[in-house]
Amino acid sequence: AQRVTQPEKLLSVFKGAPVELKCNYSYSGSPELFWYVQYSRQRLQLLLRHISRESIKGFTADLNKGETSFHLKKPFAQEEDSAMYYCALSPGSGNTGKLIFGQGTTLQVKP
Amino acid sequence: SQTIHQWPATLVQPVGSPLSLECTVEGTSNPNLYWYRQAAGRGLQLLFYSVGIGQISSEVPQNLSASRPQDRQFILSSKKLLLSDSGFYLCAWSGLVAFEQFFGPGTRLTVL
Repeated sequence: AQRVTQPEKLLSVFKGAPVELKCNYSYSGSPELFWYVQYSRQRLQLLLRHISRESIKGFTADLNKGETSFHLKKPFAQEEDSAMYYCALSPGSGNTGKLIFGQGTTLQVKP
Repeated sequence: SQTIHQWPATLVQPVGSPLSLECTVEGTSNPNLYWYRQAAGRGLQLLFYSVGIGQISSEVPQNLSASRPQDRQFILSSKKLLLSDSGFYLCAWSGLVAFEQFFGPGTRLTVL
């Protein structure tokens, strides 16, 4: 079954501390993986995708096929990073563009 | 540029009443369209998606239905709401290639 698991509902860190938001997936093929973010009173939006291999707002995520993980990392958290983060998987088959989302993790960065 | 609209923004309905939530997209043609429900502690659940007019795929059995009467219009409906239908409903669209989805502002539905 296709599944995305984010084990932490809430992650609370102090400003300047490293952050790692965990994401594990279950999929038999070659998935495309994404991180979406929802800031307070804003729309859900794409943060980054694994195929781009880029750093957005200081965040990076590496696809580890052996561990079936796609953890989101940032070396030094900022208060403006506080938001809800969703990991998502696209099966990549057909043209439906379907995404399977995890349960989400709320990141709280304290001053 | 492309934009996506949802209305109403909030809705309070009694149990057993009908529901109609509307989503429209501007600035693009033949988008893929999606309805999600965002429930506290349960993340985003895909309810329906559509790859074209009149083409609806349901992801989970439920009390809701969806329709796509026009290329850029997606409607979420129910004939009789249940308490469990309360939640935050998000509409999204994507193109055929990038798989990036663009989300609307959402509708907060409370069933009393």
